[in-house]
Amino acid sequence: QKEVEQNSGPLSVPEGAIASLNCTYSDRGSQSFFWYRQYSGKSPELIMSIYSNGDKEDGRFTAQLNKASQYVSLLIRDSQPSDSATYLCAVNMIYNQGGKLIFGQGTELSVKP
Amino acid sequence: GAVVSQHPSWVICKSGTSVKIECRSLDFQATTMFWYRQFPKQSLMLMATSNEGSKATYEQGVEKDKFLINHASLTLSTLTVTSAHPEDSSFYICSGKKTATTDTQYFGPGTRLTVL
Repeated sequence: QKEVEQNSGPLSVPEGAIASLNCTYSDRGSQSFFWYRQYSGKSPELIMSIYSNGDKEDGRFTAQLNKASQYVSLLIRDSQPSDSATYLCAVNMIYNQGGKLIFGQGTELSVKP
Repeated sequence: GAVVSQHPSWVICKSGTSVKIECRSLDFQATTMFWYRQFPKQSLMLMATSNEGSKATYEQGVEKDKFLINHASLTLSTLTVTSAHPEDSSFYICSGKKTATTDTQYFGPGTRLTVL
């Protein structure tokens, strides 16, 4: 089992729809979770971080965390073509005090006009 | 803000030569910097973690004599790929953390290395 798993996609949604991106992780002790967006040929940029169970909203983005189920998701409301990118889930594994992030393989999102 | 720069943004070199990549935190002091490598259509793979003034900690399978990392100051870390070969061609990305207690990493724009 991979430490952080995501569906590779591509996930295709029409413009204006809600895009739902999912991520599961193996280390039950993980405390910090991040979503990064990566455009083709570019480096990742941080979208959101989440540390507590429940929802965290920032503009059109909502991160959801369920530690009991070892599941974290990202919802993008009113999806725009500019949201088309690869979304990386990253989890800070508790056993590493240096703050090592483990990345999922990323989900490619395509928003069609 | 938390801005990280990398130089160069791309480099092409001949097989057998060495290439140095610089990573700078522009508006914060990075207690810890990380170096990642990303092959096409794959996710980021951590290569090493470096703390200012200390030897870097390399991930399993990463040759420390081939990928030399120096973190001489709180704003600068360098990665030198020695005796580069075509299989080293990749996208190299650094990141920095502001403090030892924070988890958030801020990424540089990356350096695309092509070894001919």
